[in-house]
Amino acid sequence: EPEVTQTPSHQVTQMGQEVILRCVPISNHLYFYWYRQILGQKVEFLVSFYNNEISEKSEIFDDQFSVERPDGSNFTLKIRSTKLEDSAMYFCASLGQKDQPQHFGDGTRLSIL
Amino acid sequence: AQKVTQAQTEISVVEKEDVTLDCVYETRDTTYYLFWYKQPPSGELVFLIRRNSFDEQNEISGRYSWNFQKSTSSFNFTITASQVVDSAVYFCALRGNSGYSTLTFGKGTMLLVSP
Repeated sequence: EPEVTQTPSHQVTQMGQEVILRCVPISNHLYFYWYRQILGQKVEFLVSFYNNEISEKSEIFDDQFSVERPDGSNFTLKIRSTKLEDSAMYFCASLGQKDQPQHFGDGTRLSIL
Repeated sequence: AQKVTQAQTEISVVEKEDVTLDCVYETRDTTYYLFWYKQPPSGELVFLIRRNSFDEQNEISGRYSWNFQKSTSSFNFTITASQVVDSAVYFCALRGNSGYSTLTFGKGTMLLVSP
């Protein structure tokens, strides 16, 4: 069965540095998402991406965050200047049709020092 | 606005006991989807079930069963004869039919099954 793949599985970065989290969604899917889960808390929506542009974003997704689909296969989340509170598990998800479940990657654990 | 409430923060049971995880939701959408995900200690999200709002038939899959009651806005999950491998955090989630299919998650229920 096709999978959403995320790299790296764990990223350790110094505060203030830029970080790029990478995702390869399922190839024929049209909707792409990033979610965040701070340790011990619930999974929170960050942003959705459709038709090569951001379709929705939460209040968490401020100017420090950006997303790109640079080459038609990868879907990246960039955090421009990381803060300690950005430490979390970041999940990428993709969706083919709206009546189907979203497929999640295994997540990238981001640790900001 | 959508909301999912999982009132049980943590449940501890002994192996072979049955356990029910509660989920209550709020939405203004007339058509919506409900989900359960399992998050084992390794951290990934494992999809368990999806339910459409217009299909209230309960579902059973092995030791798992789900009770969807639209009248009480609840979508409860029961594990029969629990096993140690069921230990995980379980999330209930809601997706409306409007917008871009964003999932709203509950806070999760941690289930600890001891031998």
